[in-house]
Amino acid sequence: NFVLTQPHSVSGSPGKTVTISCTRTNGNIASNYVQWYQQRPGSAPTTVIYEDSHRPSGVPDRFSGSVDSSSNSASLTISGLETEDEADYYCQSYDSDIFVAFGGGTKLTV
Amino acid sequence: EVQLMESGGGLVPPGGSLRLSCVVSGFTFESYAMTWVRQAPGRGLEWVSTLTGSGLHSFYSYSVRGRFTISRDNSRHTLFLQMNSVRAEDTGIYYCANPTDFYDSNGSFQDYWGQGTLVTVSS
Repeated sequence: NFVLTQPHSVSGSPGKTVTISCTRTNGNIASNYVQWYQQRPGSAPTTVIYEDSHRPSGVPDRFSGSVDSSSNSASLTISGLETEDEADYYCQSYDSDIFVAFGGGTKLTV
Repeated sequence: EVQLMESGGGLVPPGGSLRLSCVVSGFTFESYAMTWVRQAPGRGLEWVSTLTGSGLHSFYSYSVRGRFTISRDNSRHTLFLQMNSVRAEDTGIYYCANPTDFYDSNGSFQDYWGQGTLVTVSS
């Protein structure tokens, strides 16, 4: 089985930049697309990045995604932090065996 | 307007059964593979099961395989999750969504999530 590992929490000041990592164990991170979801308390998740680096309409360009094969990790970078960015963030990817997996989630504090 | 409305959650004893429903409107339901994702209280997201748009192919997490059954009625725009032999660890909010199949017929990204229904497994 593959696992996606995220830091439990990250923090940053308004206007600064934070990066959330998502490291895949067992399998190549670049073999399957990675999605990133934002979840505010009491709400359903929403997609902020799909297929590694694409932003859905309506998501600010302060959000960006990337994949690094050398570290077998995906990253979500949020620049120009705003208080409204405070939320939980989850990465998600696929596997031919277990099909879909989510990372454990990262709590962003602004 | 797109709507996904889950229902059927509630209190169920260990070993019992429950059937969740997700009624959708505002998009071409039969064109999308649909997924159940759950979230235990204070915990992260967990994939449960996915069913293709045709209903012919289903996928399950190891934790629910053999106990849960996903199905759909495209004529009623409804996704189901039959939960049998439930355990305490099945407690959580169950969301229906399309995280594995998000392009519409125009090639545009579409992100559909319901607000969830709470399942509590307890005696």
